[in-house]
Amino acid sequence: EAQVTQNPRYLITVTGKKLTVTCSQNMNHEYMSWYRQDPGLGLRQIYYSMNVEVTDKGDVPEGYKVSRKEKRNFPLILESPSPNQTSLYFCASSRGMDQPQHFGDGTRLSIL
Amino acid sequence: GESVGLHLPTLSVQEGDNSIINCAYSNSASDYFIWYKQESGKGPQFIIDIRSNMDKRQGQRVTVLLNKTVKHLSLQIAATQPGDSAVYFCAENIIGNQFYFGTGTSLTVIP
Repeated sequence: EAQVTQNPRYLITVTGKKLTVTCSQNMNHEYMSWYRQDPGLGLRQIYYSMNVEVTDKGDVPEGYKVSRKEKRNFPLILESPSPNQTSLYFCASSRGMDQPQHFGDGTRLSIL
Repeated sequence: GESVGLHLPTLSVQEGDNSIINCAYSNSASDYFIWYKQESGKGPQFIIDIRSNMDKRQGQRVTVLLNKTVKHLSLQIAATQPGDSAVYFCAENIIGNQFYFGTGTSLTVIP
C-alpha cells in the first residue's frame, strides 16, 4: 500500500530536549515536505526537499532541521524544542513539485 | 509571505445539495493549484488539481474552477453526501518555490 509513515504519532516532551520525527514514503517520490498545522493558520511549510541531499526552507523553518540522505526518508529534527513548536506536524511526498502530495497521518507534538 | 485565503470558514449544506467552496490567492505567478480534504485525525487527502493553463477541471462529483483574472479558485461538490463533511484546503504552488495553503473551510453536511 502506498503510504507516508510518520513516527511517533504523539509526543509530549520538555523544552530543550532534542527530538526527531521520522518520515518514510514507499512510493519512490522525489519531493518531500514537512508542514505544521495550527488552528486558524492552516498548513505552513517548514522545509522541503526536491531530491536526495537537496533541501530548502519553507515559510517557517526557524527552530527546525531536516536531512535527506535517502530518497525514502525525510526526518524532521528539533534540536532545542520550545513551547511555540507545539503543533500538529505533517510529512508529505509527491513525484514532483507540480504533483499532488500524499500526506502522512500527522504527529502531534506537545512541548512543555 | 504569500496569501491564500478562503471566503468562508464554515459551510453547512443539506445532503443532496451542491456545495461551493471558495479560495482567493494573491500571487499571479502561481502555476498549480490543489484542493485537499481533511477528515478529523487524518492528514489532508488529494481531491483535484488544476494548472494555470486551464480554467476548469472535473472529477468524480467535483469540479474546480480557476479564474486568473480575479485570482479566485473554487471547488464544487455535486450531490453532497455526509461523507463529504470535512475541512477543505486549497493550496498553490509557484514554479520553483514552495506550497502555500489556505486556512481551510469546514463543510458540514446536514442529513
